Amino acid sequence: SYVLTQPPSVSVAPGQTASVTCGGNNIGTKSVHWYQQKPGQAPVLVVYHDSDRPSGIPERFSGSNSGNTATLTISRVGAGDEADYYCQVWDSSSAHVVFGGGTKLTVL
Amino acid sequence: EVQLLESGGGLVQPGGSLRLSCAASGFTFSNYAMSWVRQTPGKGLEWVSGFSGSDADAYYADSVKGRFTISRDNSKNTLYLQMNSLRAGDTAVYYCAKGAITGAYHFDYWGQGTLVTVSS
Repeated sequence: SYVLTQPPSVSVAPGQTASVTCGGNNIGTKSVHWYQQKPGQAPVLVVYHDSDRPSGIPERFSGSNSGNTATLTISRVGAGDEADYYCQVWDSSSAHVVFGGGTKLTVL
Repeated sequence: EVQLLESGGGLVQPGGSLRLSCAASGFTFSNYAMSWVRQTPGKGLEWVSGFSGSDADAYYADSVKGRFTISRDNSKNTLYLQMNSLRAGDTAVYYCAKGAITGAYHFDYWGQGTLVTVSS
């Protein structure tokens, strides 16, 4: 089955840019979606179809996808961005939704 | 306003059964794909099962296939998950998630979850 690999943690100083990666075999051929989850809360969709943002999500959140790596980029990071971030794809070959293992973003 | 309200979680013994419900409101339920996603406390998200559309085929994660059954009642705006032969590894918070208008297999709204604990 298809596997998505994320780093367990990423740290960034306030005001800087954070990049969260999501690795998968030829992931560039798939549509990647990203969720933010804060403690005790349900996930929130922050990027879909690689780089589109739902209404209400700040422009600071952006995404890209090419080759074997998709990336969620958060610019001008603040304390409110501390959360777990998950990438997700639809694997048509297995008819499964697949999530990455999640990355904990820490704002130093 | 879109709302998804899960219910039916609780404590069940290994081998037991439980049925989860997800009451939807604020959108035309019958028009959208719906899924169940679970999260073991302190761990990551795991997709469990879903419909790609209103009357589409159901899909299941390998870990639950043959034990869990997803269904929906469009007249009641409700999604269900029948869970049989439950195991300790099924212990998790179960979320109901709505497929986005931009695609069936990403989720633009989630419920707050219902906790299922499988333990003797």
